[in-house]
Amino acid sequence: NAGVTQTPKFRVLKTGQSMTLLCAQDMNHEYMYWYRQDPGMGLRLIHYSVGEGTTAKGEVPDGYNVSRLKKQNFLLGLESAAPSQTSVYFCASRRPGLFYEQYFGPGTRLTVT
Amino acid sequence: DAKTTQPNSMESNEEEPVHLPCNHSTISGTDYIHWYRQLPSQGPEYVIHGLTSNVNNRMASLAIAEDRKSSTLILHRATLRDAAVYYCNGVGTYKYIFGTGTRLKVLA
Repeated sequence: NAGVTQTPKFRVLKTGQSMTLLCAQDMNHEYMYWYRQDPGMGLRLIHYSVGEGTTAKGEVPDGYNVSRLKKQNFLLGLESAAPSQTSVYFCASRRPGLFYEQYFGPGTRLTVT
Repeated sequence: DAKTTQPNSMESNEEEPVHLPCNHSTISGTDYIHWYRQLPSQGPEYVIHGLTSNVNNRMASLAIAEDRKSSTLILHRATLRDAAVYYCNGVGTYKYIFGTGTRLKVLA
């Protein structure tokens, strides 16, 4: 099993450009999450999904959109990138139930100039 | 999800036990306590979780206060590879908010 994979690993964008980050998991998990981590800081939840076709806002959703068209994929979109969105983005997935742990991807390092 | 409070940083000597505290005074009766750690340049990895009873696994032990308002992650013998940021999360819904974390430095 590959677990949770993220594409791409690195990306540099100019202000105003758009891009989509892809998260894929092969563990048949219902729940998926997108977090951002700024240098020296903790993880902040952007959006999450509790099943195919459903998404919800996290702590810092502004400037991002998400889609979960297939159970195994969770896409994070930036419509008009801003320098404040320079960060490392982590995707995670887990099974339903408060006692189940999250599995994280390796992260995508995004720089917006 | 319950809000958690952790010290920003802690130091430990190699091969000595480490006790990492976490306060979660707003925790509800059904919230689980999850601990993760994040090694440099990696995503977080699960360490341990508990509800009411103390828990042990191959990585660590989790001691939960009787009133559940605090917990302590115990690393029995710290190694240099345990240097990481340790996160304590109170999990009450599917939303899954991370705490601020404690940066553990292990001294050789």
